[in-house]
Amino acid sequence: GEEVAQTPKHLVRGEGQKAKLYCAPIKGHSYVFWYQQVLKNEFKFLISFQNENVFDETGMPKERFSAKCLPNSPCSLEIQATKLEDSAVYFCASSQSHGYTFGSGTRLTVV
Amino acid sequence: RKEVEQDPGPFNVPEGATVAFNCTYSNSASQSFFWYRQDCRKEPKLLMSVYSSGNEDGRFTAQLNRASQYISLLIRDSKLSDSATYLCVVNLNQAGTALIFGKGTTLSVSS
Repeated sequence: GEEVAQTPKHLVRGEGQKAKLYCAPIKGHSYVFWYQQVLKNEFKFLISFQNENVFDETGMPKERFSAKCLPNSPCSLEIQATKLEDSAVYFCASSQSHGYTFGSGTRLTVV
Repeated sequence: RKEVEQDPGPFNVPEGATVAFNCTYSNSASQSFFWYRQDCRKEPKLLMSVYSSGNEDGRFTAQLNRASQYISLLIRDSKLSDSATYLCVVNLNQAGTALIFGKGTTLSVSS
């Protein structure tokens, strides 16, 4: 499709629970990016993939966060043992070369 | 020092006003420059790319000064619908590299 599809739109988790977010990039786009936006703060880059390979993970927290892009499956971002400060909107974007298309985001609320 | 710095505002202007936003970036290797618009925590949408020669799109004019590492956006004849957060974004312009976002400048246009 011509849109980046993120699911779910909203996710509520108790502290310590696992959260898993999904992103289906635009067909034909080789690159996938995950960003975290906390409240009114800037977009924090987390990780990017080139196809199923990690391209840049310099923004990824060392603990609790992991991500995958497997063939023929949506990409995923998983947070183990969520904390209150993980509450944010998580945006996924895909790109073929230089144009970026963003998904509508997943709003994660940790209570 | 943040990679991309913007005045967060808010800028509160009446309809018809002209408003200017500024942005500076720290990485001199940056090659691509953009203004994105974000409404109410929705996904950011590309407003316009910014070129060294300056470019205009209707009521919007963007300028880039590479020597000063400075980007600007001018909005003329503001409309109520221009109310949003405007994000200054830079990129190394290599395929797959992440967009680097400023915190955004909030504009509120009132009647």
